[in-house]
Amino acid sequence: EDKVVQSPLSLVVHEGDTVTLNCSYEVTNFRSLLWYKQEKKAPTFLFMLTSSGIEKKSGRLSSILDKKELFSILNITATQTGDSAVYLCAVGHNFNKFYFGSGTKLNVKP
Amino acid sequence: NAGVTQTPKFQVLKTGQSMTLQCAQDMNHNSMYWYRQDPGMGLRLIYYSASEGTTDKGEVPNGYNVSRLNKREFSLRLESAAPSQTSVYFCASSEGPASDTQYFGPGTRLTVL
Repeated sequence: EDKVVQSPLSLVVHEGDTVTLNCSYEVTNFRSLLWYKQEKKAPTFLFMLTSSGIEKKSGRLSSILDKKELFSILNITATQTGDSAVYLCAVGHNFNKFYFGSGTKLNVKP
Repeated sequence: NAGVTQTPKFQVLKTGQSMTLQCAQDMNHNSMYWYRQDPGMGLRLIYYSASEGTTDKGEVPNGYNVSRLNKREFSLRLESAAPSQTSVYFCASSEGPASDTQYFGPGTRLTVL
């Protein structure tokens, strides 16, 4: 059975901390791994990863994929209160299906 | 450029009633999706349409039907609503195999009493 597991389920940090969110997957016919940010409304796209070992960066956020060990991490450095959200990991399947993890709820305190 | 639009934003139904959720995208995307999101959970795929004229079941299709009316529009129908279908429903679209980035609509909050 295809599945995506995220950890931790929730996280509380203080502004300025660095956090690492984890996503492991067991999906046949893997095509891509995506990260989304959800703030009480629709998810918004952060990154798409298809190749192992190539880091994607956007400001203070970065992500990398390991296709051998079947996981990805999302790093956020120098966290801000505006980073508080649920971070979702999704895996794309060759037949255009997507499997989402249950998300990591990040709370950044001032 | 509105992106992905959904109607209605909120809906309350009684058990056994039917309704259709509407979704439209103006990005000329090939693929469209319907998800449900329950409290504390990620998104679960209900149905998807990889291209105009095709639809396929996702993880949780029971109790739902879909129609890909044309390239822009993808509707989700609940024939006989049940309390277990109380959820937030998101529609999404993507280019297809060329890019897996999905763009989501604002969601419909559905309550079935």
